[in-house]
Amino acid sequence: DTGVSQDPRHKITKRGQNVTFRCDPISEHNRLYWYRQTLGQGPEFLTYFQNEAQLEKSRLLSDRFSAERPKGSFSTLEIQRTEQGDSAMYLCASSLSFSYNSPLHFGNGTRLTVT
Amino acid sequence: AQTVTQSQPEMSVQEAETVTLSCTYDTSESDYYLFWYKQPPSRQMILVIRQEAYKQQNATENRFSVNFQKAAKSFSLKISDSQLGDAAMYFCAFNDMRFGAGTRLTVKP
Repeated sequence: DTGVSQDPRHKITKRGQNVTFRCDPISEHNRLYWYRQTLGQGPEFLTYFQNEAQLEKSRLLSDRFSAERPKGSFSTLEIQRTEQGDSAMYLCASSLSFSYNSPLHFGNGTRLTVT
Repeated sequence: AQTVTQSQPEMSVQEAETVTLSCTYDTSESDYYLFWYKQPPSRQMILVIRQEAYKQQNATENRFSVNFQKAAKSFSLKISDSQLGDAAMYFCAFNDMRFGAGTRLTVKP
């Protein structure tokens, strides 16, 4: 169990640029989640996958955000045309579950700063 | 939609004392899971304790226990014999997806 890995740890980009983040879950975990966390707030759900299928996407997620998990292993989160309001910590988590009873294992997050 | 409310942005406790963090939630579901997660400064979020809604018995994990009141939709976390390492942000979560805003716990030596 090597834990959930996220890359990069930090990303600074200029407004209008596209960014992509990667998450490698714990290898046997079938569920993978993306959250956004701003300072002093709890994680805000963005989307989740069960294997390669994206089963739910937050209505708060604009069309500029897209996530993939093509082979049911690692996942990428892309933000197009970044805005300053996108600045946040982006957390990935995984779990081994077909229901909600399994706890989440979180990565260290990717901190995005949009200038 | 489910909502999770943590009404205490900050709490403070003396080392070795007991503290209770509050959480309320709103749902129309009858079967669900509730979690408390801990996020130390600049470190990963980790699970503290989990409660299954269909179980009436409150969950306990060493110094951590919950008071689960299903009818009142309340799920508080009690930390006994507080230690300096307990200082962190604590988040209440409903199933996998809904988190409260968190409570920052400070432990005074």
